Amino acid sequence: GAGVSQSPSNKVTEKGKDVELRCDPISGHTALYWYRQSLGQGLEFLIYFQGNSAPDKSGLPSDRFSAERTGGSVSTLTIQRTQQEDSAVYLCASSLEGLSSYGYTFGSGTRLTVV
Amino acid sequence: AQSVTQLDSHVSVSEGTPVLLRCNYSSSYSPSLFWYVQHPNKGLQLLLKYTSAATLVKGINGFEAEFKKSETSFHLTKPSAHMSDAAEYFCVVSAGFQKLVFGTGTRLLVSP
Repeated sequence: GAGVSQSPSNKVTEKGKDVELRCDPISGHTALYWYRQSLGQGLEFLIYFQGNSAPDKSGLPSDRFSAERTGGSVSTLTIQRTQQEDSAVYLCASSLEGLSSYGYTFGSGTRLTVV
Repeated sequence: AQSVTQLDSHVSVSEGTPVLLRCNYSSSYSPSLFWYVQHPNKGLQLLLKYTSAATLVKGINGFEAEFKKSETSFHLTKPSAHMSDAAEYFCVVSAGFQKLVFGTGTRLLVSP
């Protein structure tokens, strides 16, 4: 596609429920990143994919968080047993081959609210 | 390891006056540096990037930044602020195949 697409744009869920956030990167971009932006905070790195593998998942805050990528394209970030502190905007970005000089394109994000 | 420090959490200017948003970086490798802008309830937009070519980088909407290795700085400037420039600005560093590392952001306020 022309840009990075994320869905849903907004998600309200009850504490304890599981949620899935989807990212569809720019066609041909092999690198995909998930970041989290909490209210009043900067961007926190979560996980990086190169193709379907995740060489860096150091930012996942707990084992309730997982992510996968299939076909070198769409990625899903899953949060199990959501907690109120999970409320944030989850941003996805993609890049050609992951080399930083190529730059990154971000999606508009999914705003997750846990009530 | 890489990091960026944005020296001001808020900057206030009057419309038509110059803008200076300060950023210092730390990187073990030759870095790529970026400035992103985020308008309220909008996504992140790339303003400009430095990737070891010209040290003075021009971006969109009249913004530019100068890479100064001796000062490890990458400050963002604009000669004349416009009301539409009010937003959050993030300085970002990366190197090679490393992930982006974001600063904590500077909120630019523009008054009439």
